[in-house]
Amino acid sequence: GESVGLHLPTLSVQEGDNSIINCAYSNSASDYFIWYKQESGKGPQFIIDIRSNMDKRQGQRVTVLLNKTVKHLSLQIAATQPGDSAVYFCAENPPLEKLTFGTGTRLTIIP
Amino acid sequence: EAQVTQNPRYLITVTGKKLTVTCSQNMNHEYMSWYRQDPGLGLRQIYYSMNVEVTDKGDVPEGYKVSRKEKRNFPLILESPSPNQTSLYFCASTRTGITEAFFGQGTRLTVV
Repeated sequence: GESVGLHLPTLSVQEGDNSIINCAYSNSASDYFIWYKQESGKGPQFIIDIRSNMDKRQGQRVTVLLNKTVKHLSLQIAATQPGDSAVYFCAENPPLEKLTFGTGTRLTIIP
Repeated sequence: EAQVTQNPRYLITVTGKKLTVTCSQNMNHEYMSWYRQDPGLGLRQIYYSMNVEVTDKGDVPEGYKVSRKEKRNFPLILESPSPNQTSLYFCASTRTGITEAFFGQGTRLTVV
């Protein structure tokens, strides 16, 4: 099957700085992408999504960028807070196929 | 409140003793699925269901069964659990179409 998510396994960021979490996907047919946040002891929670007809989408303190040319997805978190500590997953959804998840990046906030 | 509810949250069992993990969603979603999460392997799909009485294998179905008799419920059945099924399990539901999946809180299963 297709692989998703050449993540760095961990990322440490100073509180207040911006975080950038990257993800590479391999299925060029994928037309929908999602970022999930998983806090310790909890299930993954939806953060933001983007469809392939867009290259940028903004939410509250988060921005997702999609570069279809190089099959790269990134999640930017502005002014990182202690509550942002979690594992972040990207997921891709090719048409008529199931959602495929990356292995995740653990974000640690340094006080 | 829209949610996916799994039970139990934690379970320790012995090899070969049949068990069922329940999953229920209150969003009237058609699509439901089960994942297992293991260190370094991320989320892998076990089984999924497109609608009532329609189920299909995911990436790692061996040793598992599911049923979908009602739209809201999608139990995961381990007929004869083995230690390699020790894992963290998540149920998820999705509205038909390209939308995000909603996950339950997880079930941590240990098979000794």
